[in-house]
Amino acid sequence: GENVEQHPSTLSVQEGDSAVIKCTYSDSASNYFPWYKQELGKRPQLIIDIRSNVGEKKDQRIAVTLNKTAKHFSLHITETQPEDSAVYFCAASRSGGSYIPTFGRGTSLIVHP
Amino acid sequence: DTGVSQDPRHKITKRGQNVTFRCDPISEHNRLYWYRQTLGQGPEFLTYFQNEAQLEKSRLLSDRFSAERPKGSFSTLEIQRTEQGDSAMYLCASSSSDLGTYEQYFGPGTRLTVT
Repeated sequence: GENVEQHPSTLSVQEGDSAVIKCTYSDSASNYFPWYKQELGKRPQLIIDIRSNVGEKKDQRIAVTLNKTAKHFSLHITETQPEDSAVYFCAASRSGGSYIPTFGRGTSLIVHP
Repeated sequence: DTGVSQDPRHKITKRGQNVTFRCDPISEHNRLYWYRQTLGQGPEFLTYFQNEAQLEKSRLLSDRFSAERPKGSFSTLEIQRTEQGDSAMYLCASSSSDLGTYEQYFGPGTRLTVT
């Protein structure tokens, strides 16, 4: 089955800095890679996703890059704000069929004002 | 709130008791997933429904766990003879296969504590 590794487990930055979270996956057939944000005590929410036919996707301060050859993908947050503080999860899955994502263990991002 | 809802939000039970959780997905969503999340981990897949059919179950899912989605709307997850290792957050998520997107919408979760 799929195995997703996520690093770092904790990331502490100053407001305004950039933050990068990296994930690797094992199943070369995986072709859909979502990122979820989970604030303390709240439900996970999708913030951005990328499919394997695209190398990069951007949405305002958030971007995701994908390297299919190396089987890794990354989340980039620029100009971080205190409200970005949360746990971020990457996931990998095969699109089509049941689409069941395998999640990483999460990265706790702390943005200091 | 028209999102995914779960009931109860918290459940404390004694080891050996049975518990049942309910999930109400977004009304037009035909796919429903159950996950378990423990501290410091990402959501771990338990089972998946498309409409009323249970199409996949995790190999890690003990036979003490059973799930139903009788009319393709709400779903229940039952844990029989609970063990302390069952303590976790149980998350439900739903999505639609008709929208051309794979986004899953999560519920707030049911936190189970087995004493």
